Amino acid sequence: GQQVMQIPQYQHVQEGEDFTTYCNSSTTLSNIQWYKQRPGGHPVFLIQLVKSGEVKKQKRLTFQFGEAKKNSSLHITATQTTDVGTYFCAGLGTGRRALTFGSGTRLQVQP
Amino acid sequence: ETGVTQSPTHLIKTRGQQVTLRCSSQSGHNTVSWYQQALGQGPQFIFQYYREEENGRGNFPPRFSGLQFPNYSSELNVNALELDDSALYLCASSRRDRRDEQFFGPGTRLTVL
Repeated sequence: GQQVMQIPQYQHVQEGEDFTTYCNSSTTLSNIQWYKQRPGGHPVFLIQLVKSGEVKKQKRLTFQFGEAKKNSSLHITATQTTDVGTYFCAGLGTGRRALTFGSGTRLQVQP
Repeated sequence: ETGVTQSPTHLIKTRGQQVTLRCSSQSGHNTVSWYQQALGQGPQFIFQYYREEENGRGNFPPRFSGLQFPNYSSELNVNALELDDSALYLCASSRRDRRDEQFFGPGTRLTVL
């Protein structure tokens, strides 16, 4: 079945440093979505990428979708304490109805 | 505020019992998906409902079943609870014609003793 791997599992940064999480799918994806889950909370949608090679930005967050539509990344520039949480990628396989989530990257930001 | 609500917030059951979890989807959304999130893991897809019928299922046994009602609200039923069923159960609603963002509810934390 479809698998989505995410690295690293955990990253601890100083406030102001950059952060990147990477996502790789075992199969080609129709689209990939990114979610953020705060401690004790539920996943909150951040963005969806659909096109091969697509790059989208949301303020300090930059999302990329690979040319082969099998990998993606989320980069946060100059992290802030409000960025703390677990970031999940979730891929929608071709012809599928359900998202396959990665295991997430937990980000801790030290002030 | 996503508009998706779930009840109860927390639940404690013993092994072998049955449980029903409830979800009210966001206004205008006709598709409901259920996920199981074990501690430290990403959500795992259980099944999806559209027009009151199961519209896709993940790798979960038949003792996990569901319902969707005409108002698009949904239930997740789990029979013969096992210790490994302890998890956060998330409901997410979406529009079938837009295979994009899913709006997650706050979840139900189930503990099986």
